[in-house]
Amino acid sequence: AQSVTQLDSQVPVFEEAPVELRCNYSSSVSVYLFWYVQYPNQGLQLLLKYLSGSTLVKGINGFEAEFNKSQTSFHLRKPSVHISDTAEYFCAVRTSNTGNQFYFGTGTSLTVIP
Amino acid sequence: ETGVTQTPRHLVMGMTNKKSLKCEQHLGHNAMYWYKQSAKKPLELMFVYSLEERVENNSVPSRFSPECPNSSHLFLHLHTLQPEDSALYLCASSQDFLSNQPQHFGDGTRLSIL
Repeated sequence: AQSVTQLDSQVPVFEEAPVELRCNYSSSVSVYLFWYVQYPNQGLQLLLKYLSGSTLVKGINGFEAEFNKSQTSFHLRKPSVHISDTAEYFCAVRTSNTGNQFYFGTGTSLTVIP
Repeated sequence: ETGVTQTPRHLVMGMTNKKSLKCEQHLGHNAMYWYKQSAKKPLELMFVYSLEERVENNSVPSRFSPECPNSSHLFLHLHTLQPEDSALYLCASSQDFLSNQPQHFGDGTRLSIL
C-alpha cells in the first residue's frame, strides 16, 4: 500500500526566510510526485510535479522540490517566503499501477510571519 | 478561472434533506473525481469517473450517490446525511484516468449538516 507522510503539521517562518516542507512516501513501484497549495476557501492548486527526468523540479511562485529516490522523499523548498505564501501545502503521490489515483498527505500549514 | 467550477460554494442542510452538489469542468478532460476533505485528515477519494463510467468507489456510504451524465459534468447527490459528513467536498478532473498528468481542482463546496 502507498502512503504519504508530511512530518510537520505546522511551520511558522519569518518573511524573507527560507523554508522547507518535508514529504516522504512509501511505495514499491515507480511514483509520480506532486505538491499542491490550498489558500483559504479555495481548492487545491498545483505547485509543481515530478514525472521523470531531472530530480530537481521548479514550480510556480518560486517553489522547487527535489526527488530523492533513495530516501523516498520529495521535500518542497523556497529560498525566501512572502506573506502571500501563507497557506496549506499538500504532497501527493501517484503510482505507476493505480491509474490516476492520488494519495495525499495530511498537509502542512505554512504561516509566514511579518 | 480554475477550469473546474463547483456549485454551491456553501451548503447547510438538515439530516433528512436531499441536495445535490454540482461540478463542471471546461478543460476537455476525460476523468473526474470527488474528494472529501476533513480537518487534519488526508483527502479521501470518494468516486472516480472515466469517460462517464465509474471506475472507483472507495467504500463510500450509500447516502452519497454520484452521477456523471457526460464528461464535463459530475454530481454528488446527498440524502439522509450525518453530522460527520460535514466537510469540504472537492471535485477534480484530469486528462485521462491512466495518464500521469496532475488533477485540477475546483474550489469546493463547504457542507454543514445540522
